Amino acid sequence: EVQLVESGGGLVKPGGSLRLSCAASGFTFSGYNMNWVRQAPGKGLEWVASIASYSTYIYYADSVKGRFTISRDNAKNSLFLEINSLRAEDTAVYSCARDSRNSYAYFDYWGQGTLVTVSS
Amino acid sequence: EIVLTQSPATLSLSPGERATLSCRASQSVNSYLAWYQQKPGQAPRLLIYDASKRATGIPARFSGSGSGTDFTLTISSLEPEDFAIYYCQQRNNWPITFGQGARLEIE
Repeated sequence: EVQLVESGGGLVKPGGSLRLSCAASGFTFSGYNMNWVRQAPGKGLEWVASIASYSTYIYYADSVKGRFTISRDNAKNSLFLEINSLRAEDTAVYSCARDSRNSYAYFDYWGQGTLVTVSS
Repeated sequence: EIVLTQSPATLSLSPGERATLSCRASQSVNSYLAWYQQKPGQAPRLLIYDASKRATGIPARFSGSGSGTDFTLTISSLEPEDFAIYYCQQRNNWPITFGQGARLEIE
């Protein structure tokens, strides 16, 4: 069974930093591109970042470029998101999502997410 | 950035009725469009990809159509579990973008 479990969220002050993790199991992690998607409370889905299976490409949303860094460790079946210079508008549930086995950049499995709250 | 606009924002129907949700792109996304369903407190579920292909395990009552800038998700006969929020998403160009969501509610 495919499982994606995020951790690392919490309450942080504006300007602060966090490192989010996503532990993957139930599939060959190194064979899939991975993604982070966020959802502010009561709002819609916003794509944040994507990384290819062997990190040959990395893309970011303009809203996070220069502040967020996506990375992965295929040996540890883990995906990461380093988030810096946090703003109130970054408050959201951050979920990792796997690219579909049928086509890239569609998301067929999602974690339940980890909540990041930016507030003083 | 490609903007996806979903309509209507809210659709009120009864079980057994047919639901039609629209997604319009600000520029062509070819057929690189997906639909997701999200229920409260749950992760989104991939329903349709490449505009018209059903994802694994998705019931046949869900169908997608369209290409270019105009797309439709149709649920042929609503089941009680279909009442949820639906999002379209394009992968034709980076950045990946989602529509703002459309709520399908019980009338």
